[in-house]
Amino acid sequence: DAMVIQNPRYQVTQFGKPVTLSCSQTLNHNVMYWYQQKSSQAPKLLFHYYDKDFNNEADTPDNFQSRRPNTSFCFLDIRSPGLGDAAMYLCATRASSTDTQYFGPGTRLTVL
Amino acid sequence: AQTVTQSQPEMSVQEAETVTLSCTYDTSENNYYLFWYKQPPSRQMILVIRQEAYKQQNATENRFSVNFQKAAKSFSLKISDSQLGDTAMYFCAFMEGYGGSQGNLIFGKGTKLSVKP
Repeated sequence: DAMVIQNPRYQVTQFGKPVTLSCSQTLNHNVMYWYQQKSSQAPKLLFHYYDKDFNNEADTPDNFQSRRPNTSFCFLDIRSPGLGDAAMYLCATRASSTDTQYFGPGTRLTVL
Repeated sequence: AQTVTQSQPEMSVQEAETVTLSCTYDTSENNYYLFWYKQPPSRQMILVIRQEAYKQQNATENRFSVNFQKAAKSFSLKISDSQLGDTAMYFCAFMEGYGGSQGNLIFGKGTKLSVKP
């Protein structure tokens, strides 16, 4: 089945140690999103790619970066994780000709 | 700026009964989409139902239906014949325009629904 895959599902890192989260999709969607979701809160959009064009939300900290080497893959890099960055990170995709986003299962990040 | 408000942080319902989750939104746009997403305890966000603002007819997907009141900017979700598997966090979400290069979702804070046997 076509889907959105996130690896790893659980990631533990140390304070200040760079970490990369991965998202891949078999839907061939040209738009990909990264959301941060803290416990019992709504997802918060960090940034998105429309094809290769990167769109950063105004309040996304510089500590968060992203790469999209091809249509299928998108990475979230946290350069120096702080305790406040512990959250679930959700990847979503959408075909630009449609309106619906499809979400991956998320990666739960723990910062020690 | 668009906002989405879900005024019920938590709700519970008995199995097989009907429950309605509320959502209101604020926008000056005329063209937009509304969604209800479900996030079970396993945390995968799943689309439940969607509504196009230009359509007056309320969307229906099996046991799930919406009451879309455009003038009142209200978009409630009705779940009929509730099942234990409906236990989840439900998010109401808004998307302006027709998607394209943006298509960003604005989420409400969610309603935690518990279905009790």
